[in-house]
Amino acid sequence: AAGVIQSPRHLIKEKRETATLKCYPIPRHDTVYWYQQGPGQDPQFLISFYEKMQSDKGSIPDRFSAQQFSDYHSELNMSSLELGDSALYFCASSSGLAGDNNEQFFGPGTRLTVL
Amino acid sequence: AQSVAQPEDQVNVAEGNPLTVKCTYSVSGNPYLFWYVQYPNRGLQFLLKYITGDNLVKGSYGFEAEFNKSQTSFHLKKPSALVSDSALYFCAVRDDNTDKLIFGTGTRLQVFP
Repeated sequence: AAGVIQSPRHLIKEKRETATLKCYPIPRHDTVYWYQQGPGQDPQFLISFYEKMQSDKGSIPDRFSAQQFSDYHSELNMSSLELGDSALYFCASSSGLAGDNNEQFFGPGTRLTVL
Repeated sequence: AQSVAQPEDQVNVAEGNPLTVKCTYSVSGNPYLFWYVQYPNRGLQFLLKYITGDNLVKGSYGFEAEFNKSQTSFHLKKPSALVSDSALYFCAVRDDNTDKLIFGTGTRLQVFP
């Protein structure tokens, strides 16, 4: 069965550079979530989209932005990277919104290292 | 505000013995509870969920969890542990108003041969 695809799997950037992370949800899933997992930390919710509109926003820095495109894939854009942005970034997808009995399926993550 | 707590950073168990990974929750409405497992350098894999219904939920890989409303707990259990079960386990609650998952701090399960 198709799973959530994230690219790239690994990314190394310098401070103050920009990075773009991509997420391709499971086919027919219309909702995408982004989470950030720092070293030894639990995943923290960043932002989510439903039907190409932002549905919820968490602890996402102003330097980050994201969007969901017409094909439902999503991109997380990160600018002015800081050392503290080094983390594993997960994308998850589901079908439907809150109130539905749908679990989120996670991708393998993108490991971002900022030097 | 929704939250979950995992009181143990690590659980050690011998292969073949039963295992329990603890989770307690705090919710303002209906609890939507989940367990995920994370293997090294891998993503989060869904194990099971509690939405409503039977308090004993059966999930993947022989895992099950018991929802206990009076104790506000949702402990993960398996009757007979395998070495391959060694991983990081996260309990999570879905926010009552949105879809976002709020994770516990994780419990590292180590199963010894």
